[in-house]
Amino acid sequence: KQEVTQIPAALSVPEGENLVLNCSFTDSAIYNLQWFRQDPGKGLTSLLLIQSSQREQTSGRLNASLDKSSGRSTLYIAASQPGDSATYLCAVFNSGGSNYKLTFGKGTLLTVNP
Amino acid sequence: DTGVSQDPRHKITKRGQNVTFRCDPISEHNRLYWYRQTLGQGPEFLTYFQNEAQLEKSRLLSDRFSAERPKGSFSTLEIQRTEQGDSAMYLCASSPNNMAGHYNEQFFGPGTRLTVL
Repeated sequence: KQEVTQIPAALSVPEGENLVLNCSFTDSAIYNLQWFRQDPGKGLTSLLLIQSSQREQTSGRLNASLDKSSGRSTLYIAASQPGDSATYLCAVFNSGGSNYKLTFGKGTLLTVNP
Repeated sequence: DTGVSQDPRHKITKRGQNVTFRCDPISEHNRLYWYRQTLGQGPEFLTYFQNEAQLEKSRLLSDRFSAERPKGSFSTLEIQRTEQGDSAMYLCASSPNNMAGHYNEQFFGPGTRLTVL
Protein backbone atom coordinates (compact mmCIF):
# COMPACT_ATOMS: atom_id res chain seq x y z
CA LYS A 1 0.00 0.00 0.00
CA GLN A 2 1.39 3.37 -1.03
CA GLU A 3 2.07 5.82 1.78
CA VAL A 4 3.04 9.46 1.30
CA THR A 5 4.72 11.52 4.00
CA GLN A 6 5.33 15.25 3.97
CA ILE A 7 7.87 17.03 6.14
CA PRO A 8 7.64 19.45 7.81
CA ALA A 9 3.96 19.51 8.82
CA ALA A 10 4.17 23.29 9.22
CA LEU A 11 6.67 25.93 8.25
CA SER A 12 6.84 29.66 9.00
CA VAL A 13 9.32 31.88 7.13
CA PRO A 14 9.90 35.58 6.60
CA GLU A 15 9.03 37.07 3.24
CA GLY A 16 11.76 36.74 0.61
CA GLU A 17 13.22 33.51 1.93
CA ASN A 18 13.79 30.49 -0.31
CA LEU A 19 12.32 27.28 1.08
CA VAL A 20 12.04 23.55 0.42
CA LEU A 21 9.10 21.26 1.12
CA ASN A 22 9.73 17.52 1.25
CA CYS A 23 7.64 14.56 0.14
CA SER A 24 8.47 10.87 0.40
CA PHE A 25 6.59 7.79 -0.83
CA THR A 26 7.01 4.12 -0.03
CA ASP A 27 6.24 2.50 -3.41
CA SER A 28 8.49 3.72 -6.21
CA ALA A 29 6.26 2.23 -8.94
CA ILE A 30 4.64 5.56 -9.66
CA TYR A 31 3.47 6.99 -12.97
CA ASN A 32 3.64 10.60 -11.90
CA LEU A 33 3.68 12.95 -8.93
CA GLN A 34 1.64 16.12 -8.50
CA TRP A 35 2.11 19.06 -6.17
CA PHE A 36 -1.02 20.99 -5.18
CA ARG A 37 -1.79 24.14 -3.26
CA GLN A 38 -4.86 24.39 -1.03
CA ASP A 39 -6.11 27.61 0.53
CA PRO A 40 -8.23 27.34 3.71
CA GLY A 41 -11.66 25.89 2.99
CA LYS A 42 -10.97 25.68 -0.74
CA GLY A 43 -10.31 23.04 -3.34
CA LEU A 44 -6.91 22.01 -4.71
CA THR A 45 -4.94 23.92 -7.33
CA SER A 46 -2.47 21.88 -9.36
CA LEU A 47 1.00 23.45 -9.29
CA LEU A 48 3.29 20.99 -11.01
CA LEU A 49 3.09 17.51 -12.50
CA ILE A 50 6.25 15.40 -12.84
CA GLN A 51 6.18 12.26 -14.93
CA SER A 52 8.15 9.29 -13.57
CA SER A 53 10.67 9.66 -16.39
CA GLN A 54 11.39 13.29 -15.49
CA ARG A 55 13.73 14.68 -12.86
CA GLU A 56 12.21 18.11 -12.38
CA GLN A 57 9.60 20.61 -13.49
CA THR A 58 9.59 24.38 -13.14
CA SER A 59 6.84 26.97 -13.11
CA GLY A 60 7.76 30.54 -12.25
CA ARG A 61 9.21 30.60 -8.72
CA LEU A 62 8.40 26.93 -8.18
CA ASN A 63 10.68 24.01 -8.93
CA ALA A 64 9.78 20.40 -8.18
CA SER A 65 12.26 17.55 -8.32
CA LEU A 66 11.68 13.82 -8.34
CA ASP A 67 14.00 10.98 -7.33
CA LYS A 68 11.83 8.00 -8.07
CA SER A 69 14.31 5.33 -6.98
CA SER A 70 14.68 6.81 -3.50
CA GLY A 71 10.98 7.72 -3.24
CA ARG A 72 11.49 11.43 -2.76
CA SER A 73 10.31 14.72 -4.19
CA THR A 74 10.98 18.29 -3.19
CA LEU A 75 9.16 21.52 -3.93
CA TYR A 76 11.42 24.55 -3.95
CA ILE A 77 9.83 27.99 -3.63
CA ALA A 78 12.06 30.93 -4.43
CA ALA A 79 11.68 34.41 -2.96
CA SER A 80 8.60 33.53 -0.93
CA GLN A 81 5.71 35.99 -0.68
CA PRO A 82 2.83 36.31 1.82
CA GLY A 83 0.50 35.20 -0.98
CA ASP A 84 2.29 31.84 -0.99
CA SER A 85 0.79 31.08 2.43
CA ALA A 86 -1.29 27.91 2.02
CA THR A 87 -1.16 24.15 2.52
CA TYR A 88 0.97 22.32 -0.04
CA LEU A 89 0.02 18.75 -0.83
CA CYS A 90 2.04 16.09 -2.60
CA ALA A 91 0.25 13.20 -4.36
CA VAL A 92 1.44 10.18 -6.33
CA PHE A 93 -0.31 8.24 -9.08
CA ASN A 94 0.71 4.60 -9.05
CA SER A 95 1.30 2.52 -12.13
CA GLY A 96 -0.27 -0.92 -12.24
CA GLY A 97 -2.83 -2.40 -9.87
CA SER A 98 -5.19 0.26 -8.52
CA ASN A 99 -3.79 2.83 -10.85
CA TYR A 100 -6.73 5.17 -10.88
CA LYS A 101 -6.26 7.18 -7.73
CA LEU A 102 -3.93 9.75 -6.29
CA THR A 103 -2.48 8.99 -2.87
CA PHE A 104 -1.91 12.16 -0.88
CA GLY A 105 0.30 13.22 1.98
CA LYS A 106 -1.15 15.25 4.84
CA GLY A 107 0.38 18.44 3.53
CA THR A 108 2.73 21.16 4.74
CA LEU A 109 1.11 24.33 6.11
CA LEU A 110 3.25 27.24 4.92
CA THR A 111 3.05 30.70 6.46
CA VAL A 112 5.06 33.52 4.87
CA ASN A 113 5.29 36.50 7.19
CA PRO A 114 5.50 40.04 5.77
CA ASP B 1 -14.41 26.21 -19.82
CA THR B 2 -13.91 27.41 -16.27
CA GLY B 3 -12.84 24.15 -14.67
CA VAL B 4 -14.49 21.58 -12.44
CA SER B 5 -17.58 22.86 -10.65
CA GLN B 6 -19.35 21.43 -7.62
CA ASP B 7 -22.74 22.13 -6.10
CA PRO B 8 -23.58 22.95 -3.39
CA ARG B 9 -20.47 24.50 -1.87
CA HIS B 10 -21.76 24.01 1.64
CA LYS B 11 -24.38 21.66 3.10
CA ILE B 12 -25.58 21.43 6.68
CA THR B 13 -27.86 18.54 7.49
CA LYS B 14 -29.19 16.65 10.44
CA ARG B 15 -28.06 13.13 11.22
CA GLY B 16 -30.15 10.56 9.39
CA GLN B 17 -30.99 12.77 6.40
CA ASN B 18 -29.96 12.02 2.83
CA VAL B 19 -27.77 14.42 0.85
CA THR B 20 -26.72 14.58 -2.79
CA PHE B 21 -23.79 16.45 -4.30
CA ARG B 22 -23.16 17.25 -7.94
CA CYS B 23 -19.91 17.54 -9.89
CA ASP B 24 -19.49 18.91 -13.40
CA PRO B 25 -16.09 17.97 -14.82
CA ILE B 26 -14.04 19.84 -17.38
CA SER B 27 -15.57 19.31 -20.81
CA GLU B 28 -14.29 16.24 -22.62
CA HIS B 29 -12.51 14.88 -19.55
CA ASN B 30 -13.65 11.29 -19.49
CA ARG B 31 -12.17 10.43 -16.09
CA LEU B 32 -13.90 11.61 -12.93
CA TYR B 33 -12.93 11.03 -9.31
CA TRP B 34 -14.44 11.65 -5.88
CA TYR B 35 -12.27 12.20 -2.81
CA ARG B 36 -13.04 12.99 0.82
CA GLN B 37 -10.93 15.25 3.00
CA THR B 38 -11.19 15.67 6.76
CA LEU B 39 -9.51 18.41 8.78
CA GLY B 40 -5.73 18.17 8.81
CA GLN B 41 -5.62 15.25 6.38
CA GLY B 42 -4.93 14.87 2.71
CA PRO B 43 -7.79 13.87 0.40
CA GLU B 44 -8.68 10.17 0.36
CA PHE B 45 -9.92 8.40 -2.75
CA LEU B 46 -13.58 7.33 -2.81
CA THR B 47 -14.45 6.31 -6.35
CA TYR B 48 -13.53 6.64 -10.02
CA PHE B 49 -15.46 6.77 -13.29
CA GLN B 50 -14.25 6.37 -16.81
CA ASN B 51 -17.05 7.78 -18.92
CA GLU B 52 -20.23 6.34 -17.34
CA ALA B 53 -18.57 3.23 -15.91
CA GLN B 54 -17.68 3.18 -12.22
CA LEU B 55 -14.41 1.25 -12.27
CA GLU B 56 -13.22 1.43 -8.68
CA LYS B 57 -14.65 2.05 -5.25
CA SER B 58 -12.70 2.52 -2.04
CA ARG B 59 -13.52 0.58 1.10
CA LEU B 60 -14.29 4.03 2.55
CA LEU B 61 -17.41 4.02 0.37
CA SER B 62 -19.87 2.20 2.62
CA ASP B 63 -23.23 0.96 1.36
CA ARG B 64 -24.75 4.29 2.44
CA PHE B 65 -22.79 5.99 -0.33
CA SER B 66 -23.66 5.77 -4.02
CA ALA B 67 -22.21 7.58 -6.99
CA GLU B 68 -23.43 7.82 -10.54
CA ARG B 69 -22.28 9.37 -13.77
CA PRO B 70 -25.12 9.06 -16.27
CA LYS B 71 -24.12 9.58 -19.87
CA GLY B 72 -20.52 10.12 -18.84
CA SER B 73 -21.01 13.81 -18.10
CA PHE B 74 -21.79 15.17 -14.62
CA SER B 75 -21.65 12.96 -11.54
CA THR B 76 -23.65 12.77 -8.34
CA LEU B 77 -22.60 11.46 -4.94
CA GLU B 78 -25.41 10.54 -2.56
CA ILE B 79 -25.05 9.79 1.13
CA GLN B 80 -28.02 8.11 2.79
CA ARG B 81 -28.75 8.22 6.52
CA THR B 82 -25.92 10.64 7.19
CA GLU B 83 -23.80 10.24 10.31
CA GLN B 84 -21.66 12.81 12.12
CA GLY B 85 -18.57 10.98 10.87
CA ASP B 86 -19.57 11.87 7.32
CA SER B 87 -18.73 15.53 8.01
CA ALA B 88 -15.91 16.38 5.60
CA MET B 89 -15.02 18.19 2.40
CA TYR B 90 -16.06 16.17 -0.65
CA LEU B 91 -13.83 16.90 -3.63
CA CYS B 92 -14.37 16.04 -7.26
CA ALA B 93 -11.61 15.90 -9.87
CA SER B 94 -11.43 15.16 -13.56
CA SER B 95 -8.65 14.26 -15.96
CA PRO B 96 -8.22 13.62 -19.66
CA ASN B 97 -7.71 10.01 -20.68
CA ASN B 98 -4.68 10.58 -22.81
CA MET B 99 -2.99 13.92 -23.08
CA ALA B 100 0.66 13.87 -24.03
CA GLY B 101 2.83 14.73 -21.08
CA HIS B 102 -0.10 15.15 -18.73
CA TYR B 103 -1.53 11.66 -18.44
CA ASN B 104 -3.94 11.61 -15.55
CA GLU B 105 -3.16 15.14 -14.38
CA GLN B 106 -6.13 15.68 -12.10
CA PHE B 107 -7.95 18.99 -11.83
CA PHE B 108 -10.01 19.57 -8.72
CA GLY B 109 -13.20 21.45 -8.06
CA PRO B 110 -13.81 23.77 -5.08
CA GLY B 111 -15.38 20.99 -3.01
CA THR B 112 -18.61 20.60 -1.05
CA ARG B 113 -18.28 21.11 2.69
CA LEU B 114 -20.71 18.78 4.52
CA THR B 115 -21.59 19.31 8.17
CA VAL B 116 -23.77 16.69 9.84
CA LEU B 117 -25.35 17.89 13.10
